[in-house]
Amino acid sequence: ELKVEQNPLFLSMQEGKNYTIYCNYSTTSDRLYWYRQDPGKSLESLFVLLSNGAVKQEGRLMASLDTKARLSTLHITAAVHDLSATYFCAVDHQGAQKLVFGQGTRLTINP
Amino acid sequence: EAQVTQNPRYLITVTGKKLTVTCSQNMNHEYMSWYRQDPGLGLRQIYYSMNVEVTDKGDVPEGYKVSRKEKRNFPLILESPSPNQTSLYFCASRPRVSYNEQFFGPGTRLTVL
Repeated sequence: ELKVEQNPLFLSMQEGKNYTIYCNYSTTSDRLYWYRQDPGKSLESLFVLLSNGAVKQEGRLMASLDTKARLSTLHITAAVHDLSATYFCAVDHQGAQKLVFGQGTRLTINP
Repeated sequence: EAQVTQNPRYLITVTGKKLTVTCSQNMNHEYMSWYRQDPGLGLRQIYYSMNVEVTDKGDVPEGYKVSRKEKRNFPLILESPSPNQTSLYFCASRPRVSYNEQFFGPGTRLTVL
């Protein structure tokens, strides 16, 4: 059974600081996703990581994937308040028929 | 506009009263899926469908039914809802299982008293 674990689950940080959210998964998978969710809203796709060593960047967010370590990271650079949200990683399982999510990381960025 | 729609968006009901949450997509997607979101647990997959008349269980299917009679619709049926099914539900679709992204609906907040 595939398990996906994120840490930390809660993160409060100051604007301008850098931080990293970690996503570990327990079995081999080819695709990993990062989503953002604002309160009361649906999920917004941020990144799709398809292969070992993949790195994608959008603004102050950068995601990477190490399939050998079964680890993905979401790095936040010089955080701004607008990045406050809950971030989920998710991993395709069983030939992508199933999508397994981590618990989510609630990020709060204080001015 | 390409989208996944869900109805209702909010529902309060009582234990044992059958209900259906509808999900529809206008993108001709083959793959559709239902998830529930609970605090601290992330999203968990309830059922998914690879195509018309093809459905299968996800990780938490107990107490739910689905059907896929047409490509665009994938309703979630709770025959006898119970309080532990109080949750936020999301429907999602993608063109085919190999496509790299799922598109999520707006969510349905269900409360079972």
